[in-house]
Amino acid sequence: DQQVKQNSPSLSVQEGRISILNCDYTNSMFDYFLWYKKYPAEGPTFLISISSIKDKNEDGRFTVFLNKSAKHLSLHIVPSQPGDSAVYFCAASQTGANNLFFGTGTRLTVIP
Amino acid sequence: GAGVSQTPSNKVTEKGKYVELRCDPISGHTALYWYRQSLGQGPEFLIYFQGTGAADDSGLPNDRFFAVRPEGSVSTLKIQRTERGDSAVYLCASSVTGGDYGYTFGSGTRLTVV
Repeated sequence: DQQVKQNSPSLSVQEGRISILNCDYTNSMFDYFLWYKKYPAEGPTFLISISSIKDKNEDGRFTVFLNKSAKHLSLHIVPSQPGDSAVYFCAASQTGANNLFFGTGTRLTVIP
Repeated sequence: GAGVSQTPSNKVTEKGKYVELRCDPISGHTALYWYRQSLGQGPEFLIYFQGTGAADDSGLPNDRFFAVRPEGSVSTLKIQRTERGDSAVYLCASSVTGGDYGYTFGSGTRLTVV
């Protein structure tokens, strides 16, 4: 059973606009969430994370929002750039666990 | 090294054969992870090493899969009697310590069982 879900397999956005990638989870024990970015033929690269004690974390153009009651998080990229085109994975874990649970990814295409 | 190195980058093997996949983590990283990514899926956890010992092997799908890290650095994932369903990208990641989830992943080994 998929505990982390990314229901949009793909997203296209115009350069300069906002990209919003969504992620839902089912396990209420998850208390740490991450976003990874993956280019073809490369491994995933850590992008940004958020602990469940926060509802927002910002790093430059990237902001992650967490809504614990809805078990939902989102990644906002603004302004979007063509170099942001990649597959984005949402991941979750819980304190004391040794592994991450990943979603199936969303392919973002930023159109110049 | 500068990053996590995985070899080979591609491996094609016949059903029933034995394969070894190698991971060379970032120097000084004590935690090492193996994940498997099947087509259209996200990475799935296989095994976690803290130092030389397998601290958590709960993700290994069956006893055909085994991994070692004898000196606390390089790790080898071993798959016996390969099956077509084992075809996937096998990703290795390392971090400074366990619990540091901002892993650095390698580029993966794409295993194809024919």
